[in-house]
Amino acid sequence: SYELTQPLSVSVALGQTARITCGGNNIGSKNVHWYQQKPGQAPVLVIYNGSKRPSGIPERLSGSYSGYTATLTISGAQAGDEADYYCQVWDSSRVVFGGGTKLTVL
Amino acid sequence: QVQLQESGPGLMKPSETLSLTCTVSGGSISSYFWSWIRQPPGKGLEWIGYIYYTGNSNYNPSLKSRVTISVDTSKNQVSLKLSAVTAADTAVYYCARRSGSNDAFDIWGQGTMLTVSS
Repeated sequence: SYELTQPLSVSVALGQTARITCGGNNIGSKNVHWYQQKPGQAPVLVIYNGSKRPSGIPERLSGSYSGYTATLTISGAQAGDEADYYCQVWDSSRVVFGGGTKLTVL
Repeated sequence: QVQLQESGPGLMKPSETLSLTCTVSGGSISSYFWSWIRQPPGKGLEWIGYIYYTGNSNYNPSLKSRVTISVDTSKNQVSLKLSAVTAADTAVYYCARRSGSNDAFDIWGQGTMLTVSS
């Protein structure tokens, strides 16, 4: 079965750039979606189709692909960006989530 | 705007059958795929399955033998049944809508916590 691999944690200094990766076989051929989840809240879609932002999501959040990795980039990290981030794809009509990455803003 | 509200028992005993309902308000259930997704305490997201408003469904192979998802278009509701629950089924259960223009989950319910304990 298809798997997505994310680092357990990423730390970033306030105002700096954080990059969260999501690895998977031939991931560049899939639509990768990213969700932000803050404690006690439901996930929120922040990037869809690899690089598109839903309405209301700041331009500081961006998505990209490189090789077998999709990346969520958070520029000018703010305290409010501290959350868990999940990547997700569809494979063979089934949903696959990455294990999630905890972003800590120092 | 469209909102999803999950409802369920909260606490169950092992071996019982879980029934959850997701009520869709502010929009129609038609023309969309609806998924159930769960999250054990302190862990990541696990997809349970989806249903299209016509009734076509697909399930996570790891849960398929115990799961049934159904839709009631007259009530604008999606339901989940999970049989023979164990402590491993303790989780927050979310319903989510797959976007009509891409295949991301664009709308989520707030989730409902299920605890399985004897």
